[in-house]
Amino acid sequence: GAVVSQHPSWVICKSGTSVKIECRSLDFQATTMFWYRQFPKQSLMLMATSNEGSKATYEQGVEKDKFLINHASLTLSTLTVTSAHPEDSSFYICSARLSVGGVHNEQFFGPGTRLTVL
Amino acid sequence: RKEVEQDPGPFNVPEGATVAFNCTYSNSASQSFFWYRQDCRKEPKLLMSVYSSGNEDGRFTAQLNRASQYISLLIRDSKLSDSATYLCVVGSGGYQKVTFGTGTKLQVIP
Repeated sequence: GAVVSQHPSWVICKSGTSVKIECRSLDFQATTMFWYRQFPKQSLMLMATSNEGSKATYEQGVEKDKFLINHASLTLSTLTVTSAHPEDSSFYICSARLSVGGVHNEQFFGPGTRLTVL
Repeated sequence: RKEVEQDPGPFNVPEGATVAFNCTYSNSASQSFFWYRQDCRKEPKLLMSVYSSGNEDGRFTAQLNRASQYISLLIRDSKLSDSATYLCVVGSGGYQKVTFGTGTKLQVIP
């Protein structure tokens, strides 16, 4: 299957600092990438859809000024958590959609980034 | 009603048993359906797509029932390594946005 990488895999930061997470599709070009957040024992919640060369589309309740998304190329999307607070501590996962224009739009996930804000 | 609903389990089954999960979805216009597997503290991994005609991959069989708006996953001859959380994922066609169920936890017992 398609390979998606994320970096870093684990980060601990102080409250008030900003953290950038990178998501890369390694062996394919992804016009669309997705950012999810997963709290313990809960399902993945879509935060935003990242489209190459355009602004991200945020889900209701997700602050776009706090979670900055940049999709500068067909293989890279970044999520920056600005002014992080302890309640932002979570597992952040990106995914990239493999097929273009198809109905069966499987998503392949990065390994996730575990963020802990002290 | 939630967009995608699953029984959270856990389902505790002995090795070699057959187990089935169902997942219901509310949007009748949904076009794509998947089962993902997620191990503890790991990312979800695609297990199989679910096609209208149903599909089988080894010990795993997935079915789609559009009339009743549910998909199912059947696991035969359960292995210890099948222990995981199984996520039902439903997508709408045009926007390619998918919705995850909360997952069904499976524990296969020796």
